[in-house]
Amino acid sequence: AQSVSQHNHHVILSEAASLELGCNYSYGGTVNLFWYVQYPGQHLQLLLKYFSGDPLVKGIKGFEAEFIKSKFSFNLRKPSVQWSDTAEYFCAVQESSSNTGKLIFGQGTTLQVKP
Amino acid sequence: EAGVAQSPRYKIIEKRQSVAFWCNPISGHATLYWYQQILGQGPKLLIQFQNNGVVDDSQLPKDRFSAERLKGVDSTLKIQPAKLEDSAVYLCASSTPGLIYNEQFFGPGTRLTVL
Repeated sequence: AQSVSQHNHHVILSEAASLELGCNYSYGGTVNLFWYVQYPGQHLQLLLKYFSGDPLVKGIKGFEAEFIKSKFSFNLRKPSVQWSDTAEYFCAVQESSSNTGKLIFGQGTTLQVKP
Repeated sequence: EAGVAQSPRYKIIEKRQSVAFWCNPISGHATLYWYQQILGQGPKLLIQFQNNGVVDDSQLPKDRFSAERLKGVDSTLKIQPAKLEDSAVYLCASSTPGLIYNEQFFGPGTRLTVL
């Protein structure tokens, strides 16, 4: 069965620090990969996605993620975090060949940015 | 474009009571998903509809949970009777199949507390 593992449950950073959140998945086939973000009091929204092509994808608000197929990883990065990045971040996997679009989510990482 | 609407936003019930949640997807989106998000975990798919037909309900506890999407637009998810472990946020999402990937748009969720 597919699974997604996020390495860090809770990350605390100071403003301007660099961020990297780990995400690994287990699935033998071709996948689409997503990072969703949930800001306090708001709904889940898409941060960035990968489905093919350049393994380095850029999303909103200066976020980027790199797909490393050999490591089954899709880590999220941001060079300099802001207080407004405080949120919960979810990595998700979707089978490329599936016509259902089912998402398998990781358990989430809570990011707290100190001003 | 209006987003995915859900109601109520919060619900508190006692165990063994019944509860129902409502979701109205983005206009024109044929696919509708219900996810359960328990505190500290990522969302887990409960059921997926394509128009008014069920595509995947393998994770739905059918002894107590039911869902319907009679006219292929809005949907209701019901729990009867509720258990303490049903305390969670219930998320509704919708999508329209794309050529390459399937992006889901999430509603604000309904937070259920079972006492």
